Amino acid sequence: DPKIIQKPKYLVAVTGSEKILICEQYLGHNAMYWYRQSAKKPLEFMFSYSYQKLMDNQTASSRFQPQSSKKNHLDLQITALKPDDSATYFCASSQEGPGRGNTLYFGAGTRLSVL
Amino acid sequence: GQQVQQSPASLVLQEGENAELQCNFSSTATQLQWFYQSPGGSLVSLLSNPSGTKHTGRLTSTTVTKERRSSLHISSSQTTDSGTYLCAIETGFASALTFGSGTKVIPCLP
Repeated sequence: DPKIIQKPKYLVAVTGSEKILICEQYLGHNAMYWYRQSAKKPLEFMFSYSYQKLMDNQTASSRFQPQSSKKNHLDLQITALKPDDSATYFCASSQEGPGRGNTLYFGAGTRLSVL
Repeated sequence: GQQVQQSPASLVLQEGENAELQCNFSSTATQLQWFYQSPGGSLVSLLSNPSGTKHTGRLTSTTVTKERRSSLHISSSQTTDSGTYLCAIETGFASALTFGSGTKVIPCLP
């Protein structure tokens, strides 16, 4: 059974709309992350959270807002969607926060297409 | 410049061959992790190896921290090894993993 659940697996949106990507982890980890992978680009770090607090934000745009309602949840809200936002968004988690030498575990990803 | 550089970009492997994948990084790494990304896109952690040598199954990773490089050796490759191998590093407190562009392993079909 997958221990990091991302929903939905696929998502199609129209330009200008808003979507929420869901992530829940059942590994008992204290830190969660969002990464983005666009076509032919390396995985890009977006956000890290530790004990539900934002640790780092490497996303230039405020259109991307993480939301953590519980320690094992880290959703990603994206507003005013643009075609350039099309990518696979991966959620990940680790036992402790970033920079502590932890192993990172990934969800299966949400593939977003913006038309 | 790119913080994590991987080579080669792609590699054709015949079944049974060995392969060596390289990862060079421009900053001191407090953590280094190798991942496998399947053709379908899923990511699996293979090894965490910030220094020294580690083995798991047919994989061996050697990291020389002072020289800012790591390698991943695949022995006796199988067709199921095809996919992309990613190297990622952490560079200090509160820094998340930064990924390289990966090495794509392509099976050489008879």
